Amino acid sequence: QVQLVESGGGLVKPGGSLRLSCAASGFTFSDYSMSWIRQAPGKGLEWVSYISSSGSPKDYADSVKGRFTISRDNAKNSLYLQMNSLSAEDTAVYYCVRGRWMFVYWGQGILVTVSS
Amino acid sequence: DIVMTQTPLSLSVTPGQPASISCKSSQSLLHSDGKTRLYWYLQRPGQPPHLLIYELSNRLSGVPDRFSGSGSETDFTLKISRVEAEDVGVYYCVQSLQLPVTFGGGTKVEIK
Repeated sequence: QVQLVESGGGLVKPGGSLRLSCAASGFTFSDYSMSWIRQAPGKGLEWVSYISSSGSPKDYADSVKGRFTISRDNAKNSLYLQMNSLSAEDTAVYYCVRGRWMFVYWGQGILVTVSS
Repeated sequence: DIVMTQTPLSLSVTPGQPASISCKSSQSLLHSDGKTRLYWYLQRPGQPPHLLIYELSNRLSGVPDRFSGSGSETDFTLKISRVEAEDVGVYYCVQSLQLPVTFGGGTKVEIK
C-alpha cells in the first residue's frame, strides 16, 4: 500500500533553516509528481510546492518562493523540502502528498514550529 | 490566484438528516478538456485530509454514495444525503485548474 512518511520537522528559530524529507513506498515513485501542502495550527490548508516526476518543472506558492526549495531523489524514493529564512508564519504541519492536481495519498504530516 | 469561498463556516446536523456545503470559485474551473477541476476533501480530527469527490462529481472508490458533488463553472455543492457520525470533520473544496492549487476556508461539520 502507498505510504508517505515525513521526517525532519521540529523547533527552529526565526531566520533558521530546516530540511523536510518524505520517504515514499508502495508505488513507483519516479512515475508521480509530488507536492507539499501545509496547515498552520487551527487553520486551513495551503499548497506550498510541487515537483514533476522527473524533477523539473517545479513551482512554489508566492509565500515561500525564494526561501523554499523542493527536490527529489527517485533512486531513494524520497522527496525533500529545504526551508530557509523561516518565520513564525511558516509554523505548520507539512504534508507530503502524491500528485500535482489530485491528492489521493497524504502522509501523516510533520510539525514545523518557528519560534525563539 | 483563484479564490475559493465556502459556506457555511460550520454545520450542526442530526444523524440521518441531509447536509449541504456550498463553494464558489472566483473564476470558472472548467478545463478545456471538458472536466471541471473541483475537488472535495474531508479532514477528520487529527488526520490528514482525504479525497471524497474529484472533478466535480466523481466519488473516489470506497466513498459512500451518500456523498455527492454537483455544480458548474463557479458554483459547487457537496451534499450528504444522510449524515452519519463518521462524517464529522472539516470539508474543503479545492480547485486544481491552475497553480497555485487553492483551498476553500473549510466547513466544519458536527453532529447534534
